[in-house]
Amino acid sequence: AQSVTQPDARVTVSEGASLQLRCKYSYSATPYLFWYVQYPRQGLQLLLKYYSGDPVVQGVNSFEAEFSKSNSSFHLQKASVHWSDSAVYFCALTTGYQNFYFGKGTSLTVIP
Amino acid sequence: EAAVTQSPRNKVAVTGGKVTLSCNQTNNHNNMYWYRQDTGHGLRLIHYSYGAGSTEKGDIPDGYKASRPSQENFSLILELATPSQTSVYFCASGGLGGAEQFFGPGTRLTVL
Repeated sequence: AQSVTQPDARVTVSEGASLQLRCKYSYSATPYLFWYVQYPRQGLQLLLKYYSGDPVVQGVNSFEAEFSKSNSSFHLQKASVHWSDSAVYFCALTTGYQNFYFGKGTSLTVIP
Repeated sequence: EAAVTQSPRNKVAVTGGKVTLSCNQTNNHNNMYWYRQDTGHGLRLIHYSYGAGSTEKGDIPDGYKASRPSQENFSLILELATPSQTSVYFCASGGLGGAEQFFGPGTRLTVL
């Protein structure tokens, strides 16, 4: 069965620091992978997606993610975070033939 | 850009009452979804639809019904609301063949 695990429920970093939010997936083939962001009292917004090809994908607001088949991972990264990046981040997977599987989310707090 | 709207945005209901949450999308997506979001559980799929007239059970359908009268509209119905259904509900569309899902702003439901 497919699944997505975000091992860190909460992450706190200082403004200007680099960031990595972890995502591990379970699926026998290469899935379609997504990162979404949720700001307080809003719906989820797509940050970036991976379908195939270059394992490093660029997203909005200088976020990027790296796909690793060998590690079954799709970690989200940002070189320098801003206080406005504080939000909840969700990793998601779909096989293309079934529904989406979401991780439980990582709550990011950026300290000014 | 995909537009998914939900109404009402906030709802207070009494135990045993009937609640209808509405969702409208303007991007002509075939697939639509209803999720609930609770702390510690992330997003959980309640019902989904492949098109007008179709509804399918998701992972937690008990106590919920769904209706898809048209391509644009997808409703979630709680015939006999219970306090355990207090949550934030999100509608989404898209997701066909590996494409991303687009989310509405959410409905905050409180059942007293």
